[in-house]
Amino acid sequence: DGGITQSPKYLFRKEGQNVTLSCEQNLNHDAMYWYRQDPGQGLRLIYYSQIVNDFQKGDIAEGYSVSREKKESFPLTVTSAQKNPTAFYLCASPTGLAGAQFFGPGTRLTVL
Amino acid sequence: GDSVTQMEGPVTLSEEAFLTINCTYTATGYPSLFWYVQYPGEGLQLLLKATKADDKGSNKGFEATYRKETTSFHLEKGSVQVSDSAVYFCALSGNSNYQLIWGAGTKLIIKP
Repeated sequence: DGGITQSPKYLFRKEGQNVTLSCEQNLNHDAMYWYRQDPGQGLRLIYYSQIVNDFQKGDIAEGYSVSREKKESFPLTVTSAQKNPTAFYLCASPTGLAGAQFFGPGTRLTVL
Repeated sequence: GDSVTQMEGPVTLSEEAFLTINCTYTATGYPSLFWYVQYPGEGLQLLLKATKADDKGSNKGFEATYRKETTSFHLEKGSVQVSDSAVYFCALSGNSNYQLIWGAGTKLIIKP
């Protein structure tokens, strides 16, 4: 079945450490997105990529970095510069249905 | 800029009650409109969509009508079930990059 996988589901890190969240898709989609979700809030766009080897900052890119070396993969690194990284992170890809997006199951990051 | 406003939650209803979750938007042009649902600990799933004025999206007993005159896309269901308990997000897509503008989400709690 086609879809988006994110790993791990839960991630813990110590303050000052970088951590990389995985996002893989087998939908053959060109575009991929990373969102951050905080309790009781909507989704905020961190980074997006429209094509391999290209990506753009979203609304809250500070403290994050991404790469897009393969069409299937769009990993997100949460760096130590991110002041408040504890959140739920969602990876998504447009389905082509008038702009709808298909989401992965998410990774919950907790900084200890 | 474009924006989406949803009614604040949580919304608490008894099983078999009628549901309305309000969503209004501000946008230039003719956006597509979406409702997504998020069950606890999971990613978002597309619930329904509408791409032009007067379109009605429907799925799993939920409906929403694209009202351009009132810039609204209210979500309705005639008889809710405990399994409908989730967070519901309204969103719009208006540009060619398939970026979505999100509401803050409305938590729905259905009591047996």
